[in-house]
Amino acid sequence: GDSVTQMEGPVTLSEEAFLTINCTYTATGYPSLFWYVQYPGEGLQLLLKATKADDKGSNKGFEATYRKETTSFHLEKGSVQVSDSAVYFCALIPSWGNAGKSTFGDGTTLTVKP
Amino acid sequence: EAQVTQNPRYLITVTGKKLTVTCSQNMNHEYMSWYRQDPGLGLRQIYYSMNVEVTDKGDVPEGYKVSRKEKRNFPLILESPSPNQTSLYFCASSPRLAGGPGNEQFFGPGTRLTVL
Repeated sequence: GDSVTQMEGPVTLSEEAFLTINCTYTATGYPSLFWYVQYPGEGLQLLLKATKADDKGSNKGFEATYRKETTSFHLEKGSVQVSDSAVYFCALIPSWGNAGKSTFGDGTTLTVKP
Repeated sequence: EAQVTQNPRYLITVTGKKLTVTCSQNMNHEYMSWYRQDPGLGLRQIYYSMNVEVTDKGDVPEGYKVSRKEKRNFPLILESPSPNQTSLYFCASSPRLAGGPGNEQFFGPGTRLTVL
């Protein structure tokens, strides 16, 4: 079945540092790929998405590029802020077959220190 | 305001006492789903519904029931809760879950359930 593997956390960075959170997936065809963010005590919210190969999703300074050849969707941000401290989830939904299934990674906890 | 609401937000109960967690969305979304979040295991899908009266199992359906009699509501039922169902539960909805635009999910605030 489909799977999503995220870089293990927790990740601790200083403010203004560069962030990369790795995400690789296993799925047939061309799934849609997502990054969701969960702030403390809240539900998940969409951060960015990409629905086809070579698409780049971006939002709030975060970026991720859908790489079919490496089955990856790594999250990056050039300069993190304390307010970026949260749990980040990589996720996919399949492009065909059982479209109701949704697969999430284990989540990566990011802490940004002033 | 467009949102997904869940009730209750916190619940402590005892083994075997039936409970229902409600989920409602006001965005006229076709798709709804339930997840549980456990440390080190990420989000795991319990059940989902592609439309009214259409439900299907996710990855961890054992011990749970759902129904979708109206488009806006998707309650999660635990007929006989056990301690291993202690978890943080999220409901989500989406306009559609096929590929292309509009397939992201909108999540509720979560329900923290403790089964003693």
